[in-house]
Amino acid sequence: AQSVTQLDSQVPVFEEAPVELRCNYSSSVSVYLFWYVQYPNQGLQLLLKYLSGSTLVKGINGFEAEFNKSQTSFHLRKPSVHISDTAEYFCAVSGGSGGSNYKLTFGKGTLLTVNP
Amino acid sequence: SQTIHQWPATLVQPVGSPLSLECTVEGTSNPNLYWYRQAAGRGLQLLFYSVGIGQISSEVPQNLSASRPQDRQFILSSKKLLLSDSGFYLCAWTYGANYGYTFGSGTRLTIV
Repeated sequence: AQSVTQLDSQVPVFEEAPVELRCNYSSSVSVYLFWYVQYPNQGLQLLLKYLSGSTLVKGINGFEAEFNKSQTSFHLRKPSVHISDTAEYFCAVSGGSGGSNYKLTFGKGTLLTVNP
Repeated sequence: SQTIHQWPATLVQPVGSPLSLECTVEGTSNPNLYWYRQAAGRGLQLLFYSVGIGQISSEVPQNLSASRPQDRQFILSSKKLLLSDSGFYLCAWTYGANYGYTFGSGTRLTIV
């Protein structure tokens, strides 16, 4: 079974500051990892994903994430945030092989609030 | 390109009334389809998923049901809504574990 832990439920930062949203996962098989963003009253939008290869993954809106297999982590980072980055962020894991249901397991989310 | 449509955007229903939420996908065939519920402070809860027409898997026991009458149509229903059914309902689709999900815009359901 897979699980995802997002270590911070809320992260307040000031505009133009760097931010890191932390995500740890557990799985007995190789995995695919994802970060999603959700703006108020909207669906989730894919920010980036790690499938294989380079452990540093770049996504939309200037976000990037680093896959660390030894620490089973997939932390999301942005060097300088904007007010418009205020949203909830979800980390998710999918089993890399086997089965046809392609189920994603989501973390509970981290609310990023960017203050002026 | 593929698109996913979900409606209505908001819905206010009295306790005990029926429910039907619809989700359709365009531009792809034989997608996997999912219904999630998001309640305040509880993250995303997978309710149902479907890997093909007429194939429904339920993740949690509840008074909701799902159906997939056509390849790209996924319907969430209830015969009698409870107050605890309030929440934000999201439909999603994928065609592979490495693609992640594409989500609809959601339905805000309030039971009064």
